[in-house]
Amino acid sequence: DIVMTQSPDSLTVSLGERATINCKSSQSVLNNSNNKNYLGWYQQKPGQPPKMLIYWASTRESGVPDRFSGSGSGTDFTLTISSLQAEDVAVYYCQQYYSSPYTFGQGTKLEIK
Amino acid sequence: EVQLVESGGVLAKPGGCLRLSCAASGFTFSNAWMNWVRQAPGKGLEWVARIKRKTDDDGTTDYAAPVKGRFTISRDDAKNMLYLQMNSLKIEDTAVYYCTTDEAGPRYWGQGTLVTVSS
Repeated sequence: DIVMTQSPDSLTVSLGERATINCKSSQSVLNNSNNKNYLGWYQQKPGQPPKMLIYWASTRESGVPDRFSGSGSGTDFTLTISSLQAEDVAVYYCQQYYSSPYTFGQGTKLEIK
Repeated sequence: EVQLVESGGVLAKPGGCLRLSCAASGFTFSNAWMNWVRQAPGKGLEWVARIKRKTDDDGTTDYAAPVKGRFTISRDDAKNMLYLQMNSLKIEDTAVYYCTTDEAGPRYWGQGTLVTVSS
């Protein structure tokens, strides 16, 4: 199974500042035949289901603000929130869909300083 | 608009059985791969099972190791319904169970249904 490890486990950032969450996979999730990284990012607010933010490691889901961006390839990935807003307080998860079983990172809790 | 509505979550006893349902609308269900994902209280997300569409490998199913042999994912394309048959329930199966579409990973999510396994 591919193990997904996020860092940090929690993060406190001031409003308007940049937030960066890292995700590392135990093996590459890059499909060399189509050059796509099978990696997604999700946001989960309290009492709500997760919401997809990013897929293919860097493609923003429709309707997601452009302050959210994803980057990385192979085994190392990053979710960046360029200017933190109050509504971004949530837990963020990365997930690989390269191979079954799909696996999630443990989550990163993002709070406002 | 894609809608996924789960039902069937209740209090069940260890060793018991339960069937979860997910009613899908707003997209062509028969063309979709589908997942069940669960979240234990206060914990992270855990993928449970996936079913492909019938035209892909005849609707092949995959399971997470903790549920393999106990849970069965199935679909009824005529009714736009996804199911999860859960047998030999364990206390550690207690969680909110989400039904999701599978397009570049779990894309659309339902609100979830709570399964509590307790004696």
